[in-house]
Amino acid sequence: AQSVSQHNHHVILSEAASLELGCNYSYGGTVNLFWYVQYPGQHLQLLLKYFSGDPLVKGIKGFEAEFIKSKFSFNLRKPSVQWSDTAEYFCAVTPNSGGYQKVTFGTGTKLQVIP
Amino acid sequence: GAGVSQSPRYKVTKRGQDVALRCDPISGHVSLYWYRQALGQGPEFLTYFNYEAQQDKSGLPNDRFSAERPEGSISTLTIQRTEQRDSAMYRCASGQLVGDKAFGPGTRLTVL
Repeated sequence: AQSVSQHNHHVILSEAASLELGCNYSYGGTVNLFWYVQYPGQHLQLLLKYFSGDPLVKGIKGFEAEFIKSKFSFNLRKPSVQWSDTAEYFCAVTPNSGGYQKVTFGTGTKLQVIP
Repeated sequence: GAGVSQSPRYKVTKRGQDVALRCDPISGHVSLYWYRQALGQGPEFLTYFNYEAQQDKSGLPNDRFSAERPEGSISTLTIQRTEQRDSAMYRCASGQLVGDKAFGPGTRLTVL
């Protein structure tokens, strides 16, 4: 079974600071990887995804993530955060194996951006 | 609507009562998932369907929990004889067989 680890539970940054949120997964086969975001009072939304190809994935709102297969990692980055990025971020993985699409989530990282 | 909808949005019930939570997926989406999210945790997989067939129910915590999707569209998650530990946000998501999933707003269940 797959699992996901997010090492940072709570991150506080000032506006314009750079962001990197860690995500490591464990699974023996090929995977699809996701980052979801949950803004205060809203439901989970897809930020970006990796299925195959270029391991550097660009998502919405200036976020990107890099899949490093050798490290089983899919860290989320943004060069300059804004106050509106305050949210909870979830890394998720699913096996890339046909119709079996059970998505496993990490425990989430709460990001607080201070103006 | 265009998105996944869930009802009720909030449910408060007394211990021992049964509850039914409804999910209305995006039209045409084949797969439907149920997750439970406790405070401070990520969504925890409960079960999922492709069309009307329940593909995996390994995440259902015990036999008080059941789910159905009889016509391959709307799904109901039923919790019998609720307990306080069942209090959580219950999330539904839908998607195609392969690809990302769209989440609904969730049902906040509180068991007193």
